[in-house]
Amino acid sequence: GAGVSQSPSNKVTEKGKDVELRCDPISGHTALYWYRQRLGQGLEFLIYFQGNSAPDKSGLPSDRFSAERTGESVSTLTIQRTQQEDSAVYLCASSLNRGRKLFFGSGTQLSVL
Amino acid sequence: GQQLNQSPQSMFIQEGEDVSMNCTSSSIFNTWLWYKQDPGEGPVLLIALYKAGELTSNGRLTAQFGITRKDSFLNISASIPSDVGIYFCAGLPRGTGNQFYFGTGTSLTVIP
Repeated sequence: GAGVSQSPSNKVTEKGKDVELRCDPISGHTALYWYRQRLGQGLEFLIYFQGNSAPDKSGLPSDRFSAERTGESVSTLTIQRTQQEDSAVYLCASSLNRGRKLFFGSGTQLSVL
Repeated sequence: GQQLNQSPQSMFIQEGEDVSMNCTSSSIFNTWLWYKQDPGEGPVLLIALYKAGELTSNGRLTAQFGITRKDSFLNISASIPSDVGIYFCAGLPRGTGNQFYFGTGTSLTVIP
């Protein structure tokens, strides 16, 4: 597709379970970002990839959060041992290169019960 | 971390009125982006600004990159009901940092 694709669009899980969220960026975009958006809030930076490397992981809230990117394409955000405070929309964005326009996917709504 | 102050937090206006919102930062930014977000959707890019003083339009929307490089403005002229949504500014600080910082959003309601 032409845009950023995220899956699943919705995920309901039980506290303590692990979840994986997927992002397919726009083809050819070298930069990929993950953001978290709590209900009624702004966007909170999690991690940035340039190619397959993550030079900036400063936003990951705890060691339960990790992300990887392969083939300079698909990225997966993994949350281990989910907690209720992890409930939020997780947004992925890609750009042609650092500092250029960010294009967002529709997000994954994560609900931890 | 960087602080982006976006105002106003919310606006209720009559259809046809013009709208102004702005973002200010405590440090110099190299890039400003403006987004609109509808419920259940990701933010959609409206306008991108890369140079101090730059003024860019996209239909009824006009945005400016402040001369001080610490602020940006978004104006919407002759508002219509489909302008309803949350508007976010985003900025990339000068330097080697990689993350765009986002404002807290302006919720716009247009009354027909």
